[in-house]
Amino acid sequence: SQQGEEDPQALSIQEGENATMNCSYKTSINNLQWYRQNSGRGLVHLILIRSNEREKHSGRLRVTLDTSKKSSSLLITASRAADTASYFCATDLRSSGYALNFGKGTSLLVTP
Amino acid sequence: DVKVTQSSRYLVKRTGEKVFLECVQDMDHENMFWYRQDPGLGLRLIYFSYDVKMKEKGDIPEGYSVSREKKERFSLILESASTNQTSMYLCASRPPVGGMNTEAFFGQGTRLTVV
Repeated sequence: SQQGEEDPQALSIQEGENATMNCSYKTSINNLQWYRQNSGRGLVHLILIRSNEREKHSGRLRVTLDTSKKSSSLLITASRAADTASYFCATDLRSSGYALNFGKGTSLLVTP
Repeated sequence: DVKVTQSSRYLVKRTGEKVFLECVQDMDHENMFWYRQDPGLGLRLIYFSYDVKMKEKGDIPEGYSVSREKKERFSLILESASTNQTSMYLCASRPPVGGMNTEAFFGQGTRLTVV
């Protein structure tokens, strides 16, 4: 069953603006990961945050994790047209045998 | 760089055909996965394998089987293709021990159309 749910389903912004995507999950996790998918392609890993971390940065990406609320957010600062893609959160269940469970994704459109 | 290669980007098959989707990874990962992706449903896990000849059902295994005869290769088999199996299929691999805190690497996807 799917563990993560992203919000919003779709987001449209202009270049230079910040984009925030949220992810909620249901049960205890070891870590939470964010992936990006360009149209019609495979997924690419962006960032991983462990269950004992609260915030993590990587370039223009900032991820937060609130285990008490079972939620995470991905912030992309100063968005570019090239950031247009779908973004997925994935959780690593303790009992899954290394399988990642993905949400349905947020489709981000960044217009020039 | 880790590379996960799926044998086809696009595939068109007829209803009732037996279909093989092949996936090869070059980083000696024990864990390999097959997902299908459909609009509005996200990625759903079909099968995964944590070792040669080992396999585990995911969330939607019905109508599919898998084969893992060699560590680097994980095949997804549609025994008798049906139109409701038209989808994007994604293969992924993931490192072994300590793998709970590591990323997955994906192939480029196979868009299968069953007519």
